[in-house]
Amino acid sequence: QKEVEQNSGPLSVPEGAIASLNCTYSDRGSQSFFWYRQYSGKSPELIMSIYSNGDKEDGRFTAQLNKASQYVSLLIRDSQPSDSATYLCAVKRGDTGRRALTFGSGTRLQVQP
Amino acid sequence: GAVVSQHPSRVICKSGTSVKIECRSLDFQATTMFWYRQFPKKSLMLMATSNEGSKATYEQGVEKDKFLINHASLTLSTLTVTSAHPEDSSFYICSATLAGSQFFGPGTRLTVL
Repeated sequence: QKEVEQNSGPLSVPEGAIASLNCTYSDRGSQSFFWYRQYSGKSPELIMSIYSNGDKEDGRFTAQLNKASQYVSLLIRDSQPSDSATYLCAVKRGDTGRRALTFGSGTRLQVQP
Repeated sequence: GAVVSQHPSRVICKSGTSVKIECRSLDFQATTMFWYRQFPKKSLMLMATSNEGSKATYEQGVEKDKFLINHASLTLSTLTVTSAHPEDSSFYICSATLAGSQFFGPGTRLTVL
C-alpha cells in the first residue's frame, strides 16, 4: 500500500464547475496535510495547508480533512482552464520544519473551456 | 509565501562530469532544506534532508558519495552530482520550510549526454 494515494486521472471538468480531488494516507501519525499544484515542467506551488479536522477555505479552494478516515480532499470552485495542472497531496508527521513531506503521485486535472 | 531560488535552471553536461546545483532561501533562514528528484510523469521522490552545519540525511537507495550535499549557511544548500551519467538526468527540486509549510525552488533540469 502506498503511503499517500491519489487517483492519477485525468479528471476532466467543464469550466465553472467544481473539481473534487481526493487523497488517502496510511500513516495515522500524520499531522500536517498539504495540497500543491504543479504545472508541466514547473516545480510544485503550495495551495493549501490543513492541520485540523474539518474544512478550510481560501478563495476558490477548500481543503477538507478527516483524520478518522485518513482522508483529505481539495475542492476547486468555479474551475478555470488555468487550473489545469497536476495536484499533489502531501502529508507530514508533526509540524516541525525538520520533517520531509511524503507525496502522492498526483491527480491531473483538465478544465475544459 | 516564501521565496526559494535555484541555480542553474537548466544544465546539460557530458557523462563523467560533476554538476553543482544551488538552492537559496531568499527572504528567510532555513535550518533544514530538502532535495527531491522527479522523473517525467512521476511524483517527487525525496533524496536527502540537508541540515545547516551538519551532515545531510540521505534516503534509502540514494548514494551519498554520488550526490554530495553541503548546507554551509542558513540560506544556502548545494547538491553536487558527481560523475554524472545519463540515468542521472532528471528534474531536481529543493525546498525549504517556513512556518511549517514547505516552499519549493523552481527546479533544475539536468541532462547528461
